[in-house]
Parts: sequence; C-alpha cells; structure tokens
Amino acid sequence: QQQVKQSPQSLIVQKGGISIINCAYENTAFDYFPWYQQFPGKGPALLIAIRPDVSEKKEGRFTISFNKSAKQFSLHIMDSQPGDSATYFCAASKGGSNYKLTFGKGTLLTVNP
Amino acid sequence: ETGVTQSPTHLIKTRGQQVTLRCSSQSGHNTVSWYQQALGQGPQFIFQYYREEENGRGNFPPRFSGLQFPNYSSELNVNALELDDSALYLCASSTNRNTEAFFGQGTRLTVV
Repeated sequence: QQQVKQSPQSLIVQKGGISIINCAYENTAFDYFPWYQQFPGKGPALLIAIRPDVSEKKEGRFTISFNKSAKQFSLHIMDSQPGDSATYFCAASKGGSNYKLTFGKGTLLTVNP
Repeated sequence: ETGVTQSPTHLIKTRGQQVTLRCSSQSGHNTVSWYQQALGQGPQFIFQYYREEENGRGNFPPRFSGLQFPNYSSELNVNALELDDSALYLCASSTNRNTEAFFGQGTRLTVV
C-alpha cells in the first residue's frame, strides 16, 4: 500500500521556469510533510517542511502548498536553476516529527540551461 | 555535508550471506534511523534507535536487526541476504526522534 503518491516521475524545466511536484497522501493521521532533495551519490537533505495548520510555506525560491481537505501537497520551485537538478521526495509522518517518515517514489527534476 | 558518515560506501555480497553496515551519527545526536532505498524508489523506514534501544520498526523481517552503541553510532545487520535486499541503505541521525534527521551518503549493497 503506497501511502504517499508522488507525481510526476520526471520533470524537465527550462532555466528560470517554475517546477511543480505534487503529492497525495491517504493517512489522515499524518501531520508533518517534508520535502527532501537528493543528488546522485548523496543522502536526502531536508529542503522545506509544512504542518497542516498552514496552507502555504515559503523559503526562498521554494514554496509548499498544502490542501488538507484534498489530502494533497505540492512543491513549487520558482526561477528554477540547473543546480536544482536532483531527485525530490515528498514525505509524511505522524506526531509532527521526523520519526518513521513515509516517502513518495521521487521526482527526477532536470533544469536545462 | 552532514556529519553523518556511513561505511562501507559500496558492498557486494552473495545471496545467503550476512552483512553489517555502520553509521557514525552527527556529534550531539542520540537518535539513529535506518532506511532502505531500492533503485527508483523512495526510502523505506527500517527501524530507529534512541539511546541504545530500538524505538520503532517498519515492515521489515527479523533478519534485519540493529544495534546502537554508547557513543550513539549504529550498525545494521542483515542475515540470509536475498537478491531483493540490493539497495542503498541510509542512516539518519537527529538530536531526538522529534527533530530534523540528517542523512548520511548511504551504503550501496548489491546482492548477487
């Protein structure tokens, strides 16, 4: 049972464009939704996270939008840069923490110069 | 770069063998979580150790076991290796289970 569904599987964006990655979850007990960035040969690194008491969180060029009723959340990368090319994972957990994270399958983002 | 280091970086084992993977947590961190990341998939939670005790386990069989030492470093042991155990094994450490987890670079295990 896949509790966190992520789409698209891959995404190609031109430099300066907006990258959008979507995730949907099933377990209504989830209350912590982080996004991770993973470069080849590296472990995942926390990018930005949101809790369901807010509908949007922005940190620099990265924004999470959260829709509790639809059980969906998305990552927007504004002004995408070639250095943003990586695999992005959404995740979810219960208890508002990083404990026992459930990850999506990932999105491979390629930003062309 | 995080302060979490894993060894070895790569490993090839034969089906049926046993393997031990090691993780040195970031300074000041007493919690270590292990994840399995199959090719093209997201990481899957194996288990967590907090102050040398197992503190929760994912959907993995008992042949996956672990240890945490007094210095909070950790080992993941896998017995009776199967081909499907081939994956990137990630270790993440945190100051406790409720704070940000920092991942190491992983150990790539190939079972042939």
